[in-house]
Amino acid sequence: QELLVESGGGVVQPGGSLRLSCAASGFIFNSYNMHWVRQAPGKGLEWVAFIRYDSSDKWYADSVKGRFSVSRDNSKTTVYLQMNSLRAEDTAIYYCVKDQDWGFGHWGQGTLVAVSS
Amino acid sequence: QSALTQPPSASGSPGQSVTISCTGTTRDVGGHNHVSWYQQHPGKAPKFMIYEVTKRPSGVPDRFSGSKSGNTASLTVSGLQAEDEADYYCSSYAGSNNWVFGGGTRLTVL
Repeated sequence: QELLVESGGGVVQPGGSLRLSCAASGFIFNSYNMHWVRQAPGKGLEWVAFIRYDSSDKWYADSVKGRFSVSRDNSKTTVYLQMNSLRAEDTAIYYCVKDQDWGFGHWGQGTLVAVSS
Repeated sequence: QSALTQPPSASGSPGQSVTISCTGTTRDVGGHNHVSWYQQHPGKAPKFMIYEVTKRPSGVPDRFSGSKSGNTASLTVSGLQAEDEADYYCSSYAGSNNWVFGGGTRLTVL
């Protein structure tokens, strides 16, 4: 059974940093591309970042480019999202997602990030 | 990147069929077959329902089907059931290493 478990969310002040983790199990992690997708409270879904299975490509939404960084450790079957210079508009539930054929195949339960002073 | 356009709401009675549209441009929906659909119940994570326009992941009932014509993709739910009441989102690979989502459609089963 595929499982993605996010952690690291919380309350942070504007301008602060946070590192999200996503522990994967139940599938061959080092064979799959991964995404981060977020959802602001009461709003729709927004793609945030992509990392290829071997970390050879990392792509970002314009809204986070230069502030967020995605990485993975295949030996720990974990993907990370380092978020710097956080803004109020970054407040959202952040989902870790396993790619399937360039779609968002399996989702974690999400972790809430709240940027507030 | 502009969001794909979905109607904010749709509805149907049990047993009926309902179709939700998702309109983009030649850069996204019209230019790729990487169009997918997601179902989200309140307080839950989204669920993968359709990928590559028409394909269903294992476990998704065949009451759910996808199609595309030009820049518009569609999700059809046949034989509506109470548990189909949820928010539905479309998504497309948009080229230039980007993905884009629709704004979401709330489906109500009357």
